[in-house]
Amino acid sequence: GQSLEQPSEVTAVEGAIVQINCTYQTSGFYGLSWYQQHDGGAPTFLSYNALDGLEETGRFSSFLSRSDSYGYLLLQELQMKDSASYFCAVRPNTGGFKTIFGAGTRLFVKA
Amino acid sequence: SQTIHQWPATLVQPVGSPLSLECTVEGTSNPNLYWYRQAAGRGLQLLFYSVGIGQISSEVPQNLSASRPQDRQFILSSKKLLLSDSGFYLCAWGQDDRPQHFGDGTRLSIL
Repeated sequence: GQSLEQPSEVTAVEGAIVQINCTYQTSGFYGLSWYQQHDGGAPTFLSYNALDGLEETGRFSSFLSRSDSYGYLLLQELQMKDSASYFCAVRPNTGGFKTIFGAGTRLFVKA
Repeated sequence: SQTIHQWPATLVQPVGSPLSLECTVEGTSNPNLYWYRQAAGRGLQLLFYSVGIGQISSEVPQNLSASRPQDRQFILSSKKLLLSDSGFYLCAWGQDDRPQHFGDGTRLSIL
């Protein structure tokens, strides 16, 4: 089968660094994506890792290790507005454009 | 600039009634289009995707259907809604192999 696992909740302090992990069980996929969703809002696309390694976009970085079936989203210099749910997602290489999402990690940023 | 419009924002329908949700994209051509459903506190479940006019792939057997009558128009329909169809419906598009831009969503409640 194909599944993605993320922690359900993470709490961190404003200004700190937080890492949200995503482990997956899938036979093969094209890349790992990350999305942010604030309460009541639509998801926004954050980053995409097609290859192993670290991708950096401002305060956000994403990492992928296919050999470890593992990826993470790193948020630096946390701000209150970063409080949201974060989803990892993959597109399996079984054909088509099906993208599978994890259940999401709810991040609480405290002052 | 590219934008995506999805309506209505909120909808309350009785069981057994029909459904039509519409999504249009501006500022891009031949996008990949997606319909997702999200239950409260959960990840996104892919319902349909389309890579071109008239081309629809269904990911979940159900009483919903989708159509793409024009390049940038994607419609989600049902002839008879069930209680289990309640949820947050999201339209999305992308030019690569993943959804990159989401509409504001439709909150559908079935009574």
